[in-house]
Amino acid sequence: DADVTQTPRNRITKTGKRIMLECSQTKGHDRMYWYRQDPGLGLRLIYYSFDVKDINKGEISDGYSVSRQAQAKFSLSLESAIPNQTALYFCATSENRGSSYEQYFGPGTRLTVT
Amino acid sequence: AQSVTQPDIHITVSEGASLELRCNYSYGATPYLFWYVQSPGQGLQLLLKYFSGDTLVQGIKGFEAEFKRSQSSFNLRKPSVHWSDAAEYFCAVPRDAGNMLTFGGGTRLMVKP
Repeated sequence: DADVTQTPRNRITKTGKRIMLECSQTKGHDRMYWYRQDPGLGLRLIYYSFDVKDINKGEISDGYSVSRQAQAKFSLSLESAIPNQTALYFCATSENRGSSYEQYFGPGTRLTVT
Repeated sequence: AQSVTQPDIHITVSEGASLELRCNYSYGATPYLFWYVQSPGQGLQLLLKYFSGDTLVQGIKGFEAEFKRSQSSFNLRKPSVHWSDAAEYFCAVPRDAGNMLTFGGGTRLMVKP
């Protein structure tokens, strides 16, 4: 089984709709991240969480919110989706060690907002 | 602030040919450096990383990268490309704090038969 899973894998939604993307991990990591990927822009950080009680905004958090329901679960919500939120979204985890930068990624969710 | 640039958005090589993907970084101290690969329909997977020591780093799938401080580069190489190497490749450096990464824009590799 995959260590980091994301649901759904693909989603088409309409402008103005609320949508939630879910991420679960079995790696036992404290740290979790949400990124979006756009062609030519690489991965940009939306939100991150270093433990269940810690939530932080990344560089492009406007229009998004998150919930860390448990160590293993980190959800991303689009309160009112707009077309420029069409992108590939990745969840990632990492160990809670000062020297560890390696991140482990889920397979991604392709979101289309029409 | 730390940053990383991948000058080539797309590269096409013939199967069996050698490959070099470029990565240039801006970082205040001796950097940690990473290369990730994203195969179609999959998440990113770590290919290799440089923390210290030998500047030539070996990774998975036959890839290697060389850290050149004088050129602020960490280019990824493979002597003979296979069709399965077609993917998008990302170079990354740590952010200022929090053990997080800043990713380059990515290079999409296409392999011709």
